[in-house]
Amino acid sequence: DAMVIQNPRYQVTQFGKPVTLSCSQTLNHNVMYWYQQKSSQAPKLLFHYYDKDFNNEADTPDNFQSRRPNTSFCFLDIRSPGLGDAAMYLCATRGTSATYNEQFFGPGTRLTVL
Amino acid sequence: DQQVKQNSPSLSVQEGRISILNCDYTNSMFDYFLWYKKYPAEGPTFLISISSIKDKNEDGRFTVFLNKSAKHLSLHIVPSQPGDSAVYFCAADYGGSQGNLIFGKGTKLSVKP
Repeated sequence: DAMVIQNPRYQVTQFGKPVTLSCSQTLNHNVMYWYQQKSSQAPKLLFHYYDKDFNNEADTPDNFQSRRPNTSFCFLDIRSPGLGDAAMYLCATRGTSATYNEQFFGPGTRLTVL
Repeated sequence: DQQVKQNSPSLSVQEGRISILNCDYTNSMFDYFLWYKKYPAEGPTFLISISSIKDKNEDGRFTVFLNKSAKHLSLHIVPSQPGDSAVYFCAADYGGSQGNLIFGKGTKLSVKP
């Protein structure tokens, strides 16, 4: 089955210790997104890639970086995690030939910062 | 400022009855609206969408209504089933190739047998 995979599902890191979250897709979609979702809040877009073109949201902290080495993979790097970065991180993809603007989401990675 | 608002954090409905989930938005430039369903420990899954040029879209038990003048949309689930118990997110899109979604905070639906 074509899908969006996120690894790990649960990540624990220490305050200030860099962490990388991984997303891969078998859908061959052009666009990949990273969202941050805190408890009882709306998913918040951090940035997205349209093919290799990186698009950062204006209010995404510099602490968050992303890499997309190829169509299938996208990484979220948090350079110095703070306690406020504890959240669910969702990866999503979208094909540009889609009739509707639906995004396909992975299961998420829950990040805990100690 | 929230551009997409779901003012009811939770809703409880009896099995077999209708569930109505509401969503309000502030930006008249939104071109497309989507509903996503999320179970615990899973990512959101796409449920149904509606273009701003329509006022209704139906898919099986799920119907979305759009009232552009009121900047309001609603999701109707008839009949509701216990398996429908989940968090439902409303999302809006400006359109265009990037397809960036703006989400509401979600409504937790509980369908009681």
